[in-house]
Amino acid sequence: DAGVIQSPRHEVTEMGQEVTLRCKPISGHDYLFWYRQTMMRGLELLIYFNNNVPIDDSGMPEDRFSAKMPNASFSTLKIQPSEPRDSAVYFCASSRTDMNTEAFFGQGTRLTVV
Amino acid sequence: GENVEQHPSTLSVQEGDSAVIKCTYSDSASNYFPWYKQELGKRPQLIIDIRSNVGEKKDQRIAVTLNKTAKHFSLHITETQPEDSAVYFCAASHPYTNAGKSTFGDGTTLTVKP
Repeated sequence: DAGVIQSPRHEVTEMGQEVTLRCKPISGHDYLFWYRQTMMRGLELLIYFNNNVPIDDSGMPEDRFSAKMPNASFSTLKIQPSEPRDSAVYFCASSRTDMNTEAFFGQGTRLTVV
Repeated sequence: GENVEQHPSTLSVQEGDSAVIKCTYSDSASNYFPWYKQELGKRPQLIIDIRSNVGEKKDQRIAVTLNKTAKHFSLHITETQPEDSAVYFCAASHPYTNAGKSTFGDGTTLTVKP
């Protein structure tokens, strides 16, 4: 398996533009997580899905952020409109149903909003 | 909810010395404690984990200890090498949530000087 795949790896956009980050989890994994990492806040859980259903989105910072998982092999995190303070590395991770197992992280998307 | 505190935030050791990173957690029901290593510009990856039914686990130069009564766990790296330089994250997970939803510590930046 190629692991969790995220795209793009880097994204530079202007303030006010819409940004869409993409994630393909590991096949067979039924949990998917979106994290944001910054120097100031560390690793923050934004939202997670189980069997494509959002379970907890309490970490989503504002209504400008939204996430979808239309099927078991694809998820998106959208920011509209983007702001400079959204600049961060966004990680997607997936894991299996088995209780308390390792989370596998994607390579991350480095987002810069100018 | 769970709260995980990690210390120190930075650690510098000489090659060959040992390094110890400590974490405390607040939810006594947590029973899974993974440690992730994140090299510069890369994704977090699991290096070792421990479950609450054991007190210690070793994997070559890495060991993790768990004290359930005191609610703290530690990562021990012996005979450190320059390639051990990275950010290390501890995490704690409740038995009724998936490990990916672990609460992470703020990370420890380990520098191993040759």
